[in-house]
Amino acid sequence: QSVLTQPPSVSGAPGQRVTISCTGSSSNIGAGYDVHWYQHLPGTAPRLLIYSNTDRPSGVPDRFSGSKSGTSASLAISGLQAEDEGDYYCQSHDTSPSAVIFGGGTKLTVL
Amino acid sequence: QVLLQGSGPRLVKPSETLSLTCTVSGDSISGYYWNWIRQPPGKGLEWIGYIYPGGGSNYNPSLKSRVIMSVDSSKNEMSLSLSFVTAADTAVYYCARPYKRGWYGGAFHLWGQGAIVTVSS
Repeated sequence: QSVLTQPPSVSGAPGQRVTISCTGSSSNIGAGYDVHWYQHLPGTAPRLLIYSNTDRPSGVPDRFSGSKSGTSASLAISGLQAEDEGDYYCQSHDTSPSAVIFGGGTKLTVL
Repeated sequence: QVLLQGSGPRLVKPSETLSLTCTVSGDSISGYYWNWIRQPPGKGLEWIGYIYPGGGSNYNPSLKSRVIMSVDSSKNEMSLSLSFVTAADTAVYYCARPYKRGWYGGAFHLWGQGAIVTVSS
């Protein structure tokens, strides 16, 4: 069971907007640690989509956006495309014990 | 272009030691926290630990008793050793580098291609 909780699955039609939540606690997200988001497509290495809660690395479309509030964070994907289908993970850091932590992952299905 | 290339045996027997190496090309290994992350079949991502060249290391508490990471700056490579493996250690193993130098909390921007390691007799 992951320290960060994500919904197992979300879905949306092409062009729609979906959000993926990531719920932590006072020892990780609530302690002020940044949240990062990854896209993981089959047969490839994970791709960093959002770092430091809201920032996008160069090359990541602005359809992807992140937010953080309290002990939770969210990833929003607008203008859904078929190629967005895959798994999405949130990641942060915990203080007790000190460790990098991942959410359990959310499978995005584009209908 | 910075590339991470993983290498090592892909089949390991139970109770033996898994050993992987990640070679970095295109940039110096210095200044970054180098991480290992794995994904068992059908499961999510699991952080194994990190090592900082010339500095310390930090391992996942659930694996700490079996993990050793090292860095060879002269070869620009880092290594993972996981002892007393079982079938539960079967996974794709990735080496990964954070987005910026000095970041230890994640934001893994560069990843190796992934090494599928199977634990089986």
